[in-house]
Amino acid sequence: NAGVTQTPKFQVLKTGQSMTLQCAQDMNHEYMSWYRQDPGMGLRLIHYSVGAGITDQGEVPNGYNVSRSTTEDFPLRLLSAAPSQTSVYFCASSYSTGGDNYGYTFGSGTRLTVV
Amino acid sequence: DAKTTQPPSMDCAEGRAANLPCNHSTISGNEYVYWYRQIHSQGPQYIIHGLKNNETNEMASLIITEDRKSSTLILPHATLRDTAVYYCIVRVANRADKLIFGTGTRLQVFP
Repeated sequence: NAGVTQTPKFQVLKTGQSMTLQCAQDMNHEYMSWYRQDPGMGLRLIHYSVGAGITDQGEVPNGYNVSRSTTEDFPLRLLSAAPSQTSVYFCASSYSTGGDNYGYTFGSGTRLTVV
Repeated sequence: DAKTTQPPSMDCAEGRAANLPCNHSTISGNEYVYWYRQIHSQGPQYIIHGLKNNETNEMASLIITEDRKSSTLILPHATLRDTAVYYCIVRVANRADKLIFGTGTRLQVFP
């Protein structure tokens, strides 16, 4: 049981390049989400998904796309990277999409630098 | 915006109880209080959550006031490894699993 796996762990991009941050979980969680964390700040929600085929925007969705074709995977796409997207990105997942929820499981993060 | 208020930092001596307060005066009746912590730059770790009753698990205790406008996370015997940023989060009702993080409390446990 690997939990939530994020790849890559580190990435440097040039402005305007595109890339996909990968997130996979093996716990059969319905819910998955992406957060970014800037230095000295809390986590901000980018996008989330309550199940395969269903996604929605969080607090800071601009510049990011997501899709959820399977329960296990929830990739985050940067179409044209900007220096403002330099951050640490965390993926999270949990059981249940309503009512009393169990705790969320977070990945170890992807540290992205855009130059 | 985050719906919780926490002190930015606290200190605690190793072996003593750490009591971390959180105000959530606008909490709705069906919203839960969650606590997470983030050690250094790792992914946040779930600690405990509750609706209105006090809760205890192997990591901590959660005390929620009767009016639900505030809560306290208690680490009964703090260790150096408990040094982290602790986030108190109110889960938004009717928005499946949407956790909004605030800035948290930076707990420093000293020898």
